[in-house]
Amino acid sequence: ETGVTQTPRHLVMGMTNKKSLKCEQHLGHNAMYWYKQSAKKPLELMFVYSLEERVENNSVPSRFSPECPNSSHLFLHLHTLQPEDSALYLCASSQDLTGRPEAFFGQGTRLTVV
Amino acid sequence: SQQGEEDPQALSIQEGENATMNCSYKTSINNLQWYRQNSGRGLVHLILIRSNEREKHSGRLRVTLDTSKKSSSLLITASRAADTASYFCATAAYNFNKFYFGSGTKLNVKP
Repeated sequence: ETGVTQTPRHLVMGMTNKKSLKCEQHLGHNAMYWYKQSAKKPLELMFVYSLEERVENNSVPSRFSPECPNSSHLFLHLHTLQPEDSALYLCASSQDLTGRPEAFFGQGTRLTVV
Repeated sequence: SQQGEEDPQALSIQEGENATMNCSYKTSINNLQWYRQNSGRGLVHLILIRSNEREKHSGRLRVTLDTSKKSSSLLITASRAADTASYFCATAAYNFNKFYFGSGTKLNVKP
């Protein structure tokens, strides 16, 4: 256990559905991340939140909508996805510049868009 | 791109042999980290080396960093079947802990 929990672990959704991925960390970190991992591609940094404020949005399509209500929780709201959005979505957390600069990852949500 | 790029993409060795993976990157960094990922699971942090360090050890792991060549290597000595996994390097810039990963090296250690 890394202290970062993602739910659900697996999700199958249709292109017209709306769903949300949840991430929770119990490490007292103040930065949280969403990554997308597709087969044979680099991990793609999608969003970064620091102290609940979004500090990075790497040209991610608007069908992905992040939400960070507090420093322990991070959501990724999904709507009208495409089949190419099928991937492993990983959440991570870390301390900011004053803390240990390593990322702790959740186990990921395997998303399949049909 | 700030992403690290690992080389080789895949590596197959016998148990007991050493495994060496390389990482190259393009921009100035604060630190470089290596992570491991078992199939379809999250990444686990292995070791961090700061930009002012040249070599670091942790158990059977040895990491080197050459900032002039913008490259790093990860050596796993006396490999075990349980070391079978994908290995990623991640770079972090000075202004924030944004981690940029490459595609990884897939290591297969045969018993």
